[in-house]
Amino acid sequence: DVKVTQSSRYLVKRTGEKVFLECVQDMDHENMFWYRQDPGLGLRLIYFSYDVKMKEKGDIPEGYSVSREKKERFSLILESASTNQTSMYLCASSGPGREQYFGPGTRLTVT
Amino acid sequence: GESVGLHLPTLSVQEGDNSIINCAYSNSASDYFIWYKQESGKGPQFIIDIRSNMDKRQGQRVTVLLNKTVKHLSLQIAATQPGDSAVYFCAERTGANSKLTFGKGITLSVRP
Repeated sequence: DVKVTQSSRYLVKRTGEKVFLECVQDMDHENMFWYRQDPGLGLRLIYFSYDVKMKEKGDIPEGYSVSREKKERFSLILESASTNQTSMYLCASSGPGREQYFGPGTRLTVT
Repeated sequence: GESVGLHLPTLSVQEGDNSIINCAYSNSASDYFIWYKQESGKGPQFIIDIRSNMDKRQGQRVTVLLNKTVKHLSLQIAATQPGDSAVYFCAERTGANSKLTFGKGITLSVRP
C-alpha cells in the first residue's frame, strides 16, 4: 500500500511564526503536491514538484514556499504565518500519469 | 473542527440502495478522471479512475461512467453502506503531466 505521511495532524502557531509542514512518501513517486482545503472552496493546489529540487507554483502559491531535497520528502514552508493560512493542508504523491495518493492532512490553526 | 462537508450539496440515500453521484467537468480536452472519497478528519482516498478512451469502468461495488459528449462523470455505488458516508470528489486531468482539477465535492449521507 502507498503510504503518505505528514509530520503533524494538528498544529497551532502564532501570527508571524515560520511554519514547516513535512510530507514523506514511501512509493518512490516522482510527483508530490501540497494542497489546502477550506470549506466551500474545495482542494486548491499550492505547489507541486516533479522531481528532486524542482518546484512549480500551483494556483495559490502566495505566502508559501517549498523544498524538495530528497525524492521521498516534500516540505511546505509558511515564511510568516498569518490567520488566513488557517486551513487543512494535504500532501499527495503520484507516479507519472497516475492517481494521486493523499496523506491524512495537517490541520493548522494560526492565532 | 469545521467539516470539509459544510456548504456542499448532500445526497441522502437509504442503506442498501444504490447511490449515483454526479460530476460535471469543465475541460473537453481532459483525458483522465478520478473519484476520491474523503471521510471526516482524513485525507482523500482514491476510489476509481477512468481514461477518456473508456465509457465505463467497474470496481468493487463501484462503477464510473463517463459521457464525454456532455462532459459528465458519475460514480455509482451498489448496495450503499453506512461506511460509504463521506464527501466524494471528482477530479480531471488534461495531459499526463498536468495538474488535477478537483470538483467541490458532494456529501453522501446514508440513512440506516
